[in-house]
Amino acid sequence: KQEVTQIPAALSVPEGENLVLNCSFTDSAIYNLQWFRQDPGKGLTSLLLIQSSQREQTSGRLNASLDKSSGRSTLYIAASQPGDSATYLCASGAGSYQLTFGKGTKLSVIP
Amino acid sequence: NAGVTQTPKFQVLKTGQSMTLQCAQDMNHEYMSWYRQDPGMGLRLIHYSVGAGITDQGEVPNGYNVSRSTTEDFPLRLLSAAPSQTSVYFCASSYSRFMNTGELFFGEGSRLTVL
Repeated sequence: KQEVTQIPAALSVPEGENLVLNCSFTDSAIYNLQWFRQDPGKGLTSLLLIQSSQREQTSGRLNASLDKSSGRSTLYIAASQPGDSATYLCASGAGSYQLTFGKGTKLSVIP
Repeated sequence: NAGVTQTPKFQVLKTGQSMTLQCAQDMNHEYMSWYRQDPGMGLRLIHYSVGAGITDQGEVPNGYNVSRSTTEDFPLRLLSAAPSQTSVYFCASSYSRFMNTGELFFGEGSRLTVL
């Protein structure tokens, strides 16, 4: 059974800092790896989707990488802003019909 | 384009009552699913569907029923609510039934409290 772990559970950084969020998974036979953002009381919004054949994806200030052999993915946020404060979740698609989610990293960007 | 719409947003039930959480999507997505989100447990899959007339169980299906009579709608039924079903429920959909290429789009959630 796929297990997805995100460390740390919470992170606080000053505005403008570059930061990295980590995601690890136990089953390397994944189809894809997705990163989501969740604001308090809201649903999840997809940020980046990396297919198993890809190494990274970029969207604006966000860059996600995937290393299947080590079972790791990272989400890099450049020049963090207070509006980036949210919970970030990663999820891996190891089976055809299911995603397994990590418990998330709660990010606080301090002005 | 409304995306994934869930109703109601909030609901309070008494133990033993039944109710249906509604989910509708207007993106012609094949894949639809229901998750519950609990503190410390993360998101867990309840049921999913890969097309009209096709449903299957996820990780935590007990106490819940689903059906998929149309592409657009995927209701979640609680037949006899229990306090353990107090949670936030999310409906999510994807254009790809195989989940290996498409993004997952989420609704805003339905917060359920069972007394």
